[in-house]
Amino acid sequence: GAVVSQHPSWVICKSGTSVKIECRSLDFQATTMFWYRQFPKQSLMLMATSNEGSKATYEQGVEKDKFLINHASLTLSTLTVTSAHPEDSSFYICSARLAGVSNQPQHFGDGTRLSIL
Amino acid sequence: GESVGLHLPTLSVQEGDNSIINCAYSNSASDYFIWYKQESGKGPQFIIDIRSNMDKRQGQRVTVLLNKTVKHLSLQIAATQPGDSAVYFCAEKGTGANSKLTFGKGITLSVRP
Repeated sequence: GAVVSQHPSWVICKSGTSVKIECRSLDFQATTMFWYRQFPKQSLMLMATSNEGSKATYEQGVEKDKFLINHASLTLSTLTVTSAHPEDSSFYICSARLAGVSNQPQHFGDGTRLSIL
Repeated sequence: GESVGLHLPTLSVQEGDNSIINCAYSNSASDYFIWYKQESGKGPQFIIDIRSNMDKRQGQRVTVLLNKTVKHLSLQIAATQPGDSAVYFCAEKGTGANSKLTFGKGITLSVRP
């Protein structure tokens, strides 16, 4: 149980392109989903917390107009990297937590490798 | 600020030996701790968790120990196998429904055949 699916797994695109990444909780409902960014050989850095039906909460230093988050249902959150540039190249990982339950582990998708040329 | 850190960046163990991965945390208000395993090119995979009202929890081949006095967390892997080779992260979460998960820096476990 508690499977999180992320799509696509790998994206290569030209500079200036906008890229959408989907995160789905397959067998549970998630009122809260999280988006992380991970550079090579580094830890996961939280970018934003996505709440179903409301605006996302962004961490300090993360541009909300650059990284658009939509969480329209209890099983789907999307992250759109707008006008992506080479410095946006990274490994983006989403995570979801079971709705209404505190102190439960977050379950992670398998990440999206984004490469901007 | 508050942080979660690991003592060693890499750990090399012989197949069949036991592995111990250590983690120090500085937020004394944290009440929930998780160990994750991340294989190359994949997302973190949940291994085991522990709440602050416990000091030990066992799973299949893994044990997590929590010492709140010195703010130390460890993951013990029994009979380490090649498939255990990965990066391991400890993560901590504070009290409150809106508290966030904070990850440590990660340690690479390499299993020698």
